[in-house]
Amino acid sequence: KQEVTQIPAALSVPEGENLVLNCSFTDSAIYNLQWFRQDPGKGLTSLLLIQSSQREQTSGRLNASLDKSSGRSTLYIAASQPGDSATYLCATVMEYGNKLVFGAGTILRVKS
Amino acid sequence: DAGVIQSPRHEVTEMGQEVTLRCKPISGHDYLFWYRQTMMRGLELLIYFNNNVPIDDSGMPEDRFSAKMPNASFSTLKIQPSEPRDSAVYFCASRPWQGVEQFFGPGTRLTVL
Repeated sequence: KQEVTQIPAALSVPEGENLVLNCSFTDSAIYNLQWFRQDPGKGLTSLLLIQSSQREQTSGRLNASLDKSSGRSTLYIAASQPGDSATYLCATVMEYGNKLVFGAGTILRVKS
Repeated sequence: DAGVIQSPRHEVTEMGQEVTLRCKPISGHDYLFWYRQTMMRGLELLIYFNNNVPIDDSGMPEDRFSAKMPNASFSTLKIQPSEPRDSAVYFCASRPWQGVEQFFGPGTRLTVL
């Protein structure tokens, strides 16, 4: 059974810092890996999706990497801003996109 | 497109009552998913449908939970009878047949007293 772990559970940084969120998973037979953002009381917003054959994806200040063999992914946020404050969730996508297994999330607070 | 629509956004009920949550997927999406988010267990997949047919309900916690999809634009998740431990945020998501990305609704926050 797939288990997804996210470290750290919470992170507080001053504005402008570059930061790394970590995600590890036990079953490397993933279809894709996806990073989401969740704001309090809101739904999930997809940030980046990495296909299993890819090593990384970039969108603006966000860069996500994937190492399937070691069961790890990282989300890099450059030049953090207070608006980046949210919970970041990592999910492995199993079974052709039909089963997402989520980590518990990293709560990020960027202080101005 | 308006995205995935869920109703109600908030529901407060008493233990033993029946609760029905509703979801309208994005038009043209063939897959529909129901998730539950709690502090203890995080986000979990409950059930998913393909072309209105339930494919995998292994995540449904108990027989008190049931889900239906009578047509391509509507799904319900019903809890009968509800219990305090069912308190959670319930999300609906959908995706098109040829896509891999699921699009999530805003969720329904359920409180069972």
